[in-house]
Amino acid sequence: EAGVAQSPRYKIIEKRQSVAFWCNPISGHATLYWYQQILGQGPKLLIQFQNNGVVDDSQLPKDRFSAERLKGVDSTLKIQPAKLEDSAVYLCASSRTGGAGWFETQYFGPGTRLLVL
Amino acid sequence: QQQVKQSPQSLIVQKGGISIINCAYENTAFDYFPWYQQFPGKGPALLIAIRPDVSEKKEGRFTISFNKSAKQFSLHIMDSQPGDSATYFCAASPSGGSYIPTFGRGTSLIVHP
Repeated sequence: EAGVAQSPRYKIIEKRQSVAFWCNPISGHATLYWYQQILGQGPKLLIQFQNNGVVDDSQLPKDRFSAERLKGVDSTLKIQPAKLEDSAVYLCASSRTGGAGWFETQYFGPGTRLLVL
Repeated sequence: QQQVKQSPQSLIVQKGGISIINCAYENTAFDYFPWYQQFPGKGPALLIAIRPDVSEKKEGRFTISFNKSAKQFSLHIMDSQPGDSATYFCAASPSGGSYIPTFGRGTSLIVHP
């Protein structure tokens, strides 16, 4: 089966500009996650969707970050306006159901590497 | 607050040697401990995982050892190969809630031929 797709792979912008990332999860996966991975650190969850509803967005900087998952499939993550500290790799992952009571394998995409100048 | 502490930050071993990466956690609510492998330009991929009801789990050359009382767990890579060169992340997830893993900072492993 095809993996998680993300685009673009790389993006360079200046601070205060806006940027958007796109993710297409594995077909049939109900749960989608966006992570931020700063250089030298492990991924940190930004937001989790189950179908088209938000399950957890407690670590999403809502003053500048937004995400949506229309129709419960593809998702976009937007940053507006970007700051220097937003430079990171943005990873999208999906899992089959994300249901309570079971630790499901999350499948990660290759990520979008963002550099804010 | 770093909830999962991982060491060493980098590791160099010779082909055929044993690679050992250690992690420690504080949150007793953590109930699932996966290890991820990440190659450059790729996303992390689940390598092996353990629940705290067992002290060891082995899959091929990869073994997780778990010490619940010490709140520590480690990854052992036996007969390390150059193809194992990657960044390894330990993680821990709580039972209940959304089961989101908290990741360690990662260990960059280089296996010399």
